Order: sequence, then structure tokens, then C-alpha cells
Amino acid sequence: GAGVSQTPSNKVTEKGKYVELRCDPISGHTALYWYRQSLGQGPEFLIYFQGTGAADDSGLPNDRFFAVRPEGSVSTLKIQRTERGDSAVYLCASSSGLAGNTDTQYFGPGTRLTVL
Amino acid sequence: AQSVTQPDIHITVSEGASLELRCNYSYGATPYLFWYVQSPGQGLQLLLKYFSGDTLVQGIKGFEAEFKRSQSSFNLRKPSVHWSDAAEYFCAVGNQAGTALIFGKGTTLSVSS
Repeated sequence: GAGVSQTPSNKVTEKGKYVELRCDPISGHTALYWYRQSLGQGPEFLIYFQGTGAADDSGLPNDRFFAVRPEGSVSTLKIQRTERGDSAVYLCASSSGLAGNTDTQYFGPGTRLTVL
Repeated sequence: AQSVTQPDIHITVSEGASLELRCNYSYGATPYLFWYVQSPGQGLQLLLKYFSGDTLVQGIKGFEAEFKRSQSSFNLRKPSVHWSDAAEYFCAVGNQAGTALIFGKGTTLSVSS
């Protein structure tokens, strides 16, 4: 497909467990973003990659959250020692990386994480 | 700090009636503004965006938005709503670093027949 894809679509885990969420951006897009959307809220920024490097990780809530993008394409968001408050929809977006502030971000369908 | 306020949590409009969804932003410089729509089970889809120039912006699906600097607003409009427009609508502003979007809490649109 031509869009941003995210796997799994749903993830249920137990408190204290480790989870990984995957994002496949649009081919050729150098910029990749992770957001978190809690129930009844708008998406909240977590981290931004330009190529392989995390150019802005100011939105990560604490050191339990970590993300990588080793080859500048697929990205994985990793959450250690999950807590019930981590339950949310995690959204990934990508953009061309060519237009800076005016880049259009294309969003994936999200991964719904439920921590029991 | 930048922020976006969408004052209306939920709006119901009759099919065929006009629509206006409100968005107010807080930003020191010229803002980059966006409207996205989110349907159940779907990803966020960009409706339109404003960077500069003409303050009336045309988007997809018959939507338009008007940037008013004096009111710090970027309201979304549609002259005639269709049942398929029922969805969640989000207004967003680009952050100063150009690394993220800051979203409002969204407005849920219901369309009655």
C-alpha cells in the first residue's frame, strides 16, 4: 500500500510488560513522527525523526518510552514496564522532510494499546 | 507556548445545512495551521492547511477555512453537510521548531437526517 502502516492494530498487555509498536512510513519519506491519543483528546506529540536520528524527543513522557529508526525507514516505539496510564492509541505519521514547517504529515491508522 | 482550542466538543448539524467548526490558536509568530478529519477506524486525513497568502483556504471534500489573525482563529466551514461528513475534526498548529503538530481536543460532528 501507499500509506503509512502500523502493526499491530491492537495490543493488549499486562501492567509491567514490555511492548513494541511498529510503523512503516510512506516510501521515501525521511521524516517520521509518533503521537499518542488518549480517549477524548487530540493527538499529543512524542518524538520526531529526520532520517535515522531523533531530532526532537521532547514529547516522550519518561524514560520508559524509547523509539528507534535504525535504517531511516521503519520505526519502532518501545515501552518498558507498561502502566495502565499508557493505554491509548499510538499514531505514526510521515512526511517528505523537504518542506520543513509546511510539510504535510500523513498518518497511519494507529495501534490501540490496552494495559490491563 | 503554542496551543489550540476547539471550543465545541460536539456539534449536530442537519444534512444539507451549513457547518462551521471553531478553532482558536495561541502562537507568537505567523502560524502554520491545519485541519484534519478522523473517521472511526481511519487515520487522520488532512483537509486543508494555511501557511501564508490568501486567508481563505480551500480543501478537500468541499471544506474551506478562513485565517483571521486579529481573532487568532482558523474556523472550518462547509456550505452543505453530507451524512458522510460525520467524524471527529481536529485543528492543529505547527510548533516553532517545525518538528511537531499541536492538536486541539477535537470536535465531534454528528449529522442528522
